[in-house]
Amino acid sequence: DTAVSQTPKYLVTQMGNDKSIKCEQNLGHDTMYWYKQDSKKFLKIMFSYNNKELIINETVPNRFSPKSPDKAHLNLHINSLELGDSAVYFCASTHTGAEAFFGQGTRLTVV
Amino acid sequence: RKEVEQDPGPFNVPEGATVAFNCTYSNSASQSFFWYRQDCRKEPKLLMSVYSSGNEDGRFTAQLNRASQYISLLIRDSKLSDSATYLCVGSYSSASKIIFGSGTRLSIRP
Repeated sequence: DTAVSQTPKYLVTQMGNDKSIKCEQNLGHDTMYWYKQDSKKFLKIMFSYNNKELIINETVPNRFSPKSPDKAHLNLHINSLELGDSAVYFCASTHTGAEAFFGQGTRLTVV
Repeated sequence: RKEVEQDPGPFNVPEGATVAFNCTYSNSASQSFFWYRQDCRKEPKLLMSVYSSGNEDGRFTAQLNRASQYISLLIRDSKLSDSATYLCVGSYSSASKIIFGSGTRLSIRP
């Protein structure tokens, strides 16, 4: 039974398109995150939500819009995709201050 | 300056060797620390939490020095299966923020 699940696992799309990635956690955690891992493998925090409220937006272009309909879900919508958006996007969840559990990642390729 | 910094490696050591990773953090507000392991094309997974008193889990020992803002991981008797990227992590619970270091790549050779 997957604790943090995100879909899709792979996403190939053309420049200029709009796409969404979904994330759900069944751990009862209060905080959820989106991370971007680029080709150099650096895992960079993008957003964090605590109890559906946006806590952190780490200088991410406003083409990226997270949405948390409830505590168990944090989706990521990306408008007008650019080549530089190609990366692996990881969703994670945690109880505040405890370790984070990650989804399997979404490998986004913009062509 | 990055909030969490670690040597990117790669470390290439023979099976059975002892290897140590170090990590420094710049924000003294960090409250919790962890070591994660990430295998190629997989998500990061928790290896162990890090405590000021030091903690051990089998062949792995982690240590936190708050005065020096320094975290370490020691792997003894390394196995081929230890080959992975090891990520140092700081958590700021007041800010709901978990920051990862850039990772240290470890390769164990037969």
